[in-house]
Amino acid sequence: AQSVTQPDIHITVSEGASLELRCNYSYGATPYLFWYVQSPGQGLQLLLKYFSGDTLVQGIKGFEAEFKRSQSSFNLRKPSVHWSDAAEYFCAVINYGQNFVFGPGTRLSVLP
Amino acid sequence: DAGVTQSPTHLIKTRGQQVTLRCSPKSGHDTVSWYQQALGQGPQFIFQYYEEEERQRGNFPDRFSGHQFPNYSSELNVNALLLGDSALYLCASSLSPPVHTGELFFGEGSRLTVL
Repeated sequence: AQSVTQPDIHITVSEGASLELRCNYSYGATPYLFWYVQSPGQGLQLLLKYFSGDTLVQGIKGFEAEFKRSQSSFNLRKPSVHWSDAAEYFCAVINYGQNFVFGPGTRLSVLP
Repeated sequence: DAGVTQSPTHLIKTRGQQVTLRCSPKSGHDTVSWYQQALGQGPQFIFQYYEEEERQRGNFPDRFSGHQFPNYSSELNVNALLLGDSALYLCASSLSPPVHTGELFFGEGSRLTVL
């Protein structure tokens, strides 16, 4: 079965520091990959998505992610974190049934 | 342009009761999916409705049922509530099939507490 793992449950970074959130997937075919962000008390918002083509994709709020097939990874990065980036981040893949399978999430805390 | 709206935002039920949650999709969207998000976990797919029919279903018991209306709005019903049903229930809308547009638009959720 398709699955998504996010090894880091909680990450804390200082404001202005760089960020990388890890995501690994298990999927036989070429995956459709996504990163969503969930702020407290809010629904999920799409940050970026990868379908095919350039393996480095740009998203909203200054985020980017790189698809590495050889590592089955789709890590999310941001060069300089802002306090407003504190949230829960979910990696997801569309499975064979065309449903989204979400990872367990990584909670990001930002220190002033 | 209204996004996905869900009601109620919070509710408390007791074991054995039944609950109905409601969702209005984003304007122009015809597909509604429901997810359960337990505390500290990622959303888990419950089912998806398109053209008023259940098209896909996740690994949830028959106590979970739904409906889609001609205006594309949807309801999620849960019967015989268990303590473990306590969660945030998220509704997501999309154009069908979602893989073509690649985006689900989520509501803010209905937080259900079962006592």
